[in-house]
Amino acid sequence: RKEVEQDPGPFNVPEGATVAFNCTYSNSASQSFFWYRQDCRKEPKLLMSVYSSGNEDGRFTAQLNRASQYISLLIRDSKLSDSATYLCAVGRGSGYALNFGKGTSLLVTP
Amino acid sequence: NAGVTQTPKFQVLKTGQSMTLQCAQDMNHNSMYWYRQDPGMGLRLIYYSASEGTTDKGEVPNGYNVSRLNKREFSLRLESAAPSQTSVYFCASRERSIGNQPQHFGDGTRLSIL
Repeated sequence: RKEVEQDPGPFNVPEGATVAFNCTYSNSASQSFFWYRQDCRKEPKLLMSVYSSGNEDGRFTAQLNRASQYISLLIRDSKLSDSATYLCAVGRGSGYALNFGKGTSLLVTP
Repeated sequence: NAGVTQTPKFQVLKTGQSMTLQCAQDMNHNSMYWYRQDPGMGLRLIYYSASEGTTDKGEVPNGYNVSRLNKREFSLRLESAAPSQTSVYFCASRERSIGNQPQHFGDGTRLSIL
């Protein structure tokens, strides 16, 4: 089993829709969790960290479920500019590299 | 704010040639990483350096070597390039601290091996 797994999609949604992605991880010792956004042929950029109590940044909400070992990203009121690939990343601790999922592709249509 | 800088941005090599990909960060981060990204494969870790003076193999180290030249710089070397090494290479850095910090990426080197 891969350490970090994501549904590759694509998720095609109309503007204004709400869309949610999940990401499962296999290592129960994981300590840090992040969502990155990657545009076509560009570098991954940090979208948000994921905290145990859940956190929100504007239209984006991230949640962590340690018992079931998954993190989620909810995007409300989708914009055309949200079209991208969303990568989840899971870490074991400082110094170690993050483990990335292969990403979920989102296409927001007019 | 430069962040993580990679050079070159693009490179075409012939099979058997060697080259070094350069990476430098100006965020005083302790840890640095090299990934490759291929279609359908996601980001795969090649090598990493948890701190200055240390390097460790990642998931796909074969055919590569690295040097952590100083705290700022972490280079990736292909000694004898092969077509299978055609990829997009990303360098990343991360602050080592008690808390958990994200990685920050450079904008990549697009490498083609003919």
